[in-house]
Amino acid sequence: DQQVKQNSPSLSVQEGRISILNCDYTNSMFDYFLWYKKYPAEGPTFLISISSIKDKNEDGRFTVFLNKSAKHLSLHIVPSQPGDSAVYFCAASASGGGANNLFFGTGTRLTVIP
Amino acid sequence: DARVTQTPRHKVTEMGQEVTMRCQPILGHNTVFWYRQTMMQGLELLAYFRNRAPLDDSGMPKDRFSAEMPDATLATLKIQPSEPRDSAVYFCASGLRLANTGELFFGEGSRLTVL
Repeated sequence: DQQVKQNSPSLSVQEGRISILNCDYTNSMFDYFLWYKKYPAEGPTFLISISSIKDKNEDGRFTVFLNKSAKHLSLHIVPSQPGDSAVYFCAASASGGGANNLFFGTGTRLTVIP
Repeated sequence: DARVTQTPRHKVTEMGQEVTMRCQPILGHNTVFWYRQTMMQGLELLAYFRNRAPLDDSGMPKDRFSAEMPDATLATLKIQPSEPRDSAVYFCASGLRLANTGELFFGEGSRLTVL
């Protein structure tokens, strides 16, 4: 049973516009959420994270929003750049962060069109 | 530049053969994970270790998969006998239990093809 869901397998956005990637989760015990970016033939790399005590975390062009009541988080990329084209995985963990098991979604492939 | 190292990067083998994948975690990391990437399930956990002790291997088919950490610098994932449905990319990741971010560092993966 998939505890973390990314319902959009792909997304295309024009360069300079906003990219919004969505993620839903079912386990109310999750208290830490992360986004990873993956290029072909490489391992996933950490992008940004958020603790459940916050509802927003920002790092440069990347902002993650968390809506606990809806069990929903989203990643905003503004402005989008061609180099952002990759697969983005949403992940969640329980027990206060630290290197605990991460439950991953199936990923969303973002294509930024120049 | 600290990174997780996985070998082999690519492996093609025939059904029934034994396959061993190796991982060198980042020095000082006390938690090591094995994930498998499939189209349908995304990244699914196979097993993980903390301080070399297995914490969870419920994601592995026990009859054919085994994971070990013979020492702090080496984690292994073995499949015996391999089957075509095992074809996937296998990722090793390491992290530090006491880290604030919960970030895991992934290797580049081992792409396995079982014919």
